Amino acid sequence: GAVVSQHPSWVICKSGTSVKIECRSLDFQATTMFWYRQFPKQSLMLMATSNEGSKATYEQGVEKDKFLINHASLTLSTLTVTSAHPEDSSFYICSARDGGGGGTEAFFGQGTRLTVV
Amino acid sequence: SQQGEEDPQALSIQEGENATMNCSYKTSINNLQWYRQNSGRGLVHLILIRSNEREKHSGRLRVTLDTSKKSSSLLITASRAADTASYFCATELYNFNKFYFGSGTKLNVKP
Repeated sequence: GAVVSQHPSWVICKSGTSVKIECRSLDFQATTMFWYRQFPKQSLMLMATSNEGSKATYEQGVEKDKFLINHASLTLSTLTVTSAHPEDSSFYICSARDGGGGGTEAFFGQGTRLTVV
Repeated sequence: SQQGEEDPQALSIQEGENATMNCSYKTSINNLQWYRQNSGRGLVHLILIRSNEREKHSGRLRVTLDTSKKSSSLLITASRAADTASYFCATELYNFNKFYFGSGTKLNVKP
């Protein structure tokens, strides 16, 4: 299947700093990318959907000023956690699909474990 | 979860037995997909079933979909220790380009 690369795989940052997570589709053009957050032993919570060249669509309850998403090209989306706090510590996973329509599988990155100290 | 629930939350079986996981969702869907997640890692796509399909097979996997009951099941036959993982259903809502995940089933296959 297609490959989605997520970087970094883990990061530790100090409270109050910002952290950027990159999500790249390596062998296909990702019209749509998704960002999820997963707490320990829980399911994935969709944070936002981003389409190349347009603003991300955030799910209810997700602070768009805190979680900045940029999808500047068909192969790269970034999530920036601004002014991180310990409660932002979580596992963040991106996924991408080829094409804007539905009915196709999404390919997932390996996730980024963020720890805010 | 955002869209649905899975049961059981946890399942422990012996190698060689079959494992069945169920997923219920809330709204009309375009398709439903099953994913597998090994501890602390990304997800691997297993199978996709469209809303107009009732059953699909892929190797040892069998998925059913009942849109009238808004439910799906994943059957893994002749389970192996390597099947130990968390399994999630994901629904793509009708007319939306996004996936919502169920609460997941943690499967433990004992050798």
